[in-house]
Amino acid sequence: AQKITQTQPGMFVQEKEAVTLDCTYDTSDQSYGLFWYKQPSSGEMIFLIYQGSYDEQNATEGRYSLNFQKARKSANLVISASQLGDSAMYFCAMREFGAAGNKLTFGGGTRVLVKP
Amino acid sequence: GAGVSQSPRYKVAKRGQDVALRCDPISGHVSLFWYQQALGQGPEFLTYFQNEAQLDKSGLPSDRFFAERPEGSVSTLKIQRTQQEDSAVYLCASSLALAGVGELFFGEGSRLTVL
Repeated sequence: AQKITQTQPGMFVQEKEAVTLDCTYDTSDQSYGLFWYKQPSSGEMIFLIYQGSYDEQNATEGRYSLNFQKARKSANLVISASQLGDSAMYFCAMREFGAAGNKLTFGGGTRVLVKP
Repeated sequence: GAGVSQSPRYKVAKRGQDVALRCDPISGHVSLFWYQQALGQGPEFLTYFQNEAQLDKSGLPSDRFFAERPEGSVSTLKIQRTQQEDSAVYLCASSLALAGVGELFFGEGSRLTVL
C-alpha cells in the first residue's frame, strides 16, 4: 500500500486565489511527522511546512497552512493568495519515528500552475 | 556555501560506465540521505547515514549501487555498470538532527542520463 497518496497530478489556479493540495497517508506509528516540499523547475526541494502527529494546532507558515485531520489521515496543504512563483511541483512526505527510521517517504506530487 | 552542494549537476554516461556522484552536506549536519527521483515522480529513498555509519541502505536498487561517507561529512554515491533505468535525478539531503523532527535540506540534485 502507498504510504503517501497525492490524488491530484496537476491543477491550475488563478493568481491571488487559494488552492488546496490533497495528501493522505498510511502509517501504524503513533509518532510521525508530515512535510510539504516545493520543487520548482530548478530541481531543488524547498521545505514549506511541518506537522507533527501530536501537534494539536494546524501548522501555518506565511501563506502556507496545513489542514491536518488525524482521524482521516489527511494532511492537505493550503496556499493562500497564489503567486506566479508558486508554479511548481508540490510533494507531501512523511517521516515515521518508529521502526521505519529517519527516512522521508514522498508522494507522487502535484503540479501547480498559477495563471495570471 | 550554506546549502547542500551536489556535483556534477549533470552527467551523461554510456551504458556500462561507472559514475560517482558527490554530496557536500551542510556543515555539522549528522544525517545524510540519498534519494532517486525519476522523471515526473516523487523521490524514492536510497540510503541513510548518521555521521559515517550507513544505518539504512534498504532503498538501494541493486548491488551496483554503493554509497559511502567515510569521514562523516562528504558522501559519494557510486553506480557501477550503469543501465538506462538508472537515469534519474539523484538528490542528497542533510539534517542536523539525529532522529525525530528535523527538516531535511536538499541539494539541487545530480541529473544522470544513461545512453
